[in-house]
Amino acid sequence: LAKTTQPISMDSYEGQEVNITCSHNNIATNDYITWYQQFPSQGPRFIIQGYKTKVTNEVASLFIPADRKSSTLSLPRVSLSDTAVYYCLVGDGGGSQGNLIFGKGTKLSVKP
Amino acid sequence: GAVVSQHPSWVICKSGTSVKIECRSLDFQATTMFWYRQFPKQSLMLMATSNEGSKATYEQGVEKDKFLINHASLTLSTLTVTSAHPEDSSFYICSARDTGVPNLAKNIQYFGAGTRLSVL
Repeated sequence: LAKTTQPISMDSYEGQEVNITCSHNNIATNDYITWYQQFPSQGPRFIIQGYKTKVTNEVASLFIPADRKSSTLSLPRVSLSDTAVYYCLVGDGGGSQGNLIFGKGTKLSVKP
Repeated sequence: GAVVSQHPSWVICKSGTSVKIECRSLDFQATTMFWYRQFPKQSLMLMATSNEGSKATYEQGVEKDKFLINHASLTLSTLTVTSAHPEDSSFYICSARDTGVPNLAKNIQYFGAGTRLSVL
């Protein structure tokens, strides 16, 4: 499974756009990039997934450059409730177990 | 969307007792479920992979005789912490992958809300 590197923490203010970048230099051809959000004392929640270029849903956008060695999660106009830990995961899921290996994640703090 | 129910959400037990945690996929079938443990201010650590109808696969360093996993149906996996001790106190989280999705490579997993275990 490809190893990922994210900033440990980020600070933002309400209403701002937040971009969290994840590096995954040894991403494999079959790997998808998936982002999860976790609030304290809760299980992670799926945010968005992509393979290449740009993906957008009602919550976020995911930008993936052509070489796929990094990806950027973009949260538009964050609010206090977006304060959470965000995990970037890379894998194909088609392995024998399809398990996910979580890195340290990025702790986003949104201030009023 | 896919929902995973985990029960109980919080449990306190005495040292030496056993605790069972249930993980259910409510609106999809999951031949594979995963169990994680998370200590305060740390990331999730995979403990084991639960396979319906077969033995679970444990990660290195996880005692299979202490953390018993049973995946008796396509929608239910249980984790039993046997003879719990204070060092087993942690946040336990399960997840399930919808095996009805044609492209398993996408591997989106759906997580339960977690179980806070406190061993006195």
